[in-house]
Amino acid sequence: AQTVTQSQPEMSVQEAETVTLSCTYDTSESDYYLFWYKQPPSRQMILVIRQEAYKQQNATENRFSVNFQKAAKSFSLKISDSQLGDAAMYFCAYRSVLEYGNKLVFGAGTILRVKS
Amino acid sequence: AAGVIQSPRHLIKEKRETATLKCYPISRHDTVYWYQQGPGQDPQFLISFYEKMQSDKGSIPDRFSAQQFSDYHSELNMSSLELGDSALYFCASSRASDNEQFFGPGTRLTVL
Repeated sequence: AQTVTQSQPEMSVQEAETVTLSCTYDTSESDYYLFWYKQPPSRQMILVIRQEAYKQQNATENRFSVNFQKAAKSFSLKISDSQLGDAAMYFCAYRSVLEYGNKLVFGAGTILRVKS
Repeated sequence: AAGVIQSPRHLIKEKRETATLKCYPISRHDTVYWYQQGPGQDPQFLISFYEKMQSDKGSIPDRFSAQQFSDYHSELNMSSLELGDSALYFCASSRASDNEQFFGPGTRLTVL
C-alpha cells in the first residue's frame, strides 16, 4: 500500500517570503499522480497543483511550484511571494493510475501560518 | 459550471440513529468518492463508485453502506451512529479518464 509522509506539522512564513513544504511517499508503482491540496478554515479542499510521475518537468501554477524527485520519492511544494490568503492546511496526496476510481492517499498535512 | 453538491451541509444526530448523506457529482462525471475527515486528521478514503458499480473500498465500517444511482448521484447511509463517527464527510467526483478529483464542500456530521 502507498503511504504519504509530511514531516512538518506546522510551518510559518513572513508575508512576501518563500516557503517550502515537504512531502515524501512510498510506492512500488512507476507511474502515478501527485497532488497538493489546500484546506483553508472553510474546510473546502482546493487543488493547488498536480504532477504526473512520467513527466520530468516540475509543475508550476503561478506562485506555486513543485520539486519532484522521483528517485528520492520526494514531492515538495514551494510557495513564492506568500500572501495572507495562503494560510491553510496543506495536504500532499498520491493517486495510482492502475485502475479507474482510484482513491487519493493523503499525508497528515502541514499547517501554514503567514505572518504580516 | 456547478461544482459537486453535498447535502445536508450540517447534520446533528444522536447515538444509535441513522444518517443519509447525499452527493451530486459534476455533470458528466462518472466516478464518485467518499472520504471521512476526523478533527485534526487527513481525509480517509471510504468507498468509490464508477458507472454505478463499487470500484474500491477503504476503511468503511460495516455500519455504513453507499450506492450510486442511475443519475450518478450517490448516497452514504450510516447506521447505529457512534460518537466517533463525528467528522467532515467529503464527496468528490471525476471522470474516470481524468486524474483530478473535484471535492464538494463536505457534510459536517455531529453525533451526540
